[in-house]
Amino acid sequence: ILNVEQSPQSLHVQEGDSTNFTCSFPSSNFYALHWYRWETAKSPEALFVMTLNGDEKKKGRISATLNTKEGYSYLYIKGSQPEDSATYLCASRAGGNEKLTFGTGTRLTIIP
Amino acid sequence: EAQVTQNPRYLITVTGKKLTVTCSQNMNHEYMSWYRQDPGLGLRQIYYSMNVEVTDKGDVPEGYKVSRKEKRNFPLILESPSPNQTSLYFCATKGGGGWTGELFFGEGSRLTVL
Repeated sequence: ILNVEQSPQSLHVQEGDSTNFTCSFPSSNFYALHWYRWETAKSPEALFVMTLNGDEKKKGRISATLNTKEGYSYLYIKGSQPEDSATYLCASRAGGNEKLTFGTGTRLTIIP
Repeated sequence: EAQVTQNPRYLITVTGKKLTVTCSQNMNHEYMSWYRQDPGLGLRQIYYSMNVEVTDKGDVPEGYKVSRKEKRNFPLILESPSPNQTSLYFCATKGGGGWTGELFFGEGSRLTVL
């Protein structure tokens, strides 16, 4: 089983501050890296799908980077707002494998 | 509106009583999958299907069955549920080729087995 790890497990951030967290994955046979946002009592929703080393993607105040050679991705949130409170999941797929393996998530709480 | 619909959303049942969780999608996606979410663990794949009549085991298939008779439906069957199958279950679909396409999740089904 592919091991995908996320850190930290949880994070409390003051409203207005910026924050970031990490997703680590095995770099061999890398194919794709997904980020999802999961709000309590809702279903996970895709933020980004990234495939190329050095890729950077942005959606509003949220951005992500990808380093496939060393096996990590960072998710950044600029100017955190209460609606950013959620669990952020990353998932990786290795080549030759039809499974997307998820990390355990980073639970972000924004303090007003 | 693109939708992945799961039913039931909540269920409390007893050990050994067969149950089915349905999943239906209106996006004409070929790929469908079931995951379970347990505290402290990531989403773990139970079964997936690449197309009609094509299913394969994920990481935790024991105690579950699936079928894919139609493209839009992918039911999850628990023939004899046990307490260790108490969990939050998600159905997901994916369009396009490879894994450059995102997963679309249903709203989840919270199952409790007593």
